[in-house]
Amino acid sequence: TQLLEQSPQFLSIQEGENLTVYCNSSSVFSSLQWYRQEPGEGPVLLVTVVTGGEVKKLKRLTFQFGDARKDSSLHITAAQPGDTGLYLCAGEGSNYKLTFGKGTLLTVNP
Amino acid sequence: GAVVSQHPSWVICKSGTSVKIECRSLDFQATTMFWYRQFPKQSLMLMATSNEGSKATYEQGVEKDKFLINHASLTLSTLTVTSAHPEDSSFYICSAPLGRADTQYFGPGTRLTVL
Repeated sequence: TQLLEQSPQFLSIQEGENLTVYCNSSSVFSSLQWYRQEPGEGPVLLVTVVTGGEVKKLKRLTFQFGDARKDSSLHITAAQPGDTGLYLCAGEGSNYKLTFGKGTLLTVNP
Repeated sequence: GAVVSQHPSWVICKSGTSVKIECRSLDFQATTMFWYRQFPKQSLMLMATSNEGSKATYEQGVEKDKFLINHASLTLSTLTVTSAHPEDSSFYICSAPLGRADTQYFGPGTRLTVL
């Protein structure tokens, strides 16, 4: 069974601070996805990383995929209250199956 | 764009009753759909893979007789929680891939509360 370890599980910071969320696995995934979920809603895809060493930027969010395609990170610069939510990483397995990490609950205080 | 809908968005039922949740893909066909369960402040746990035209595939530890899945058409999968109990109270989410796992759309979820 492929497992994804996500850390930290909880993060509470002040507006304007930077933060990094990590997603690690002992297995190789063909792709890794990051989602953001707000309470009472389904997850919304932020980005998919496929190539080892890949870096993608989405405004203040920077996503990295490790060279060995086993780990990934999400870095948010100058966090804003609107960034508050549950951030989930998910690895793609066979037959379209996704394995989710435990999630990082981010709270950005004004 | 591609969207996945779920109905109902929330349901409250008495212990012992059965509840059906629908998952529909809008504007695209999905031969495969996935059902997840999510407890408060936790991640999504895959329950089963719904396959159009064949039986669903359940993850280890998920009772197939309790969580009945029917993939009635290329745009509809249903999850029926049979003889629901308070411990079944959770947020149920479905997803459907648009041809690839990295293009997967999630429904808005269904909040089930069993009294």
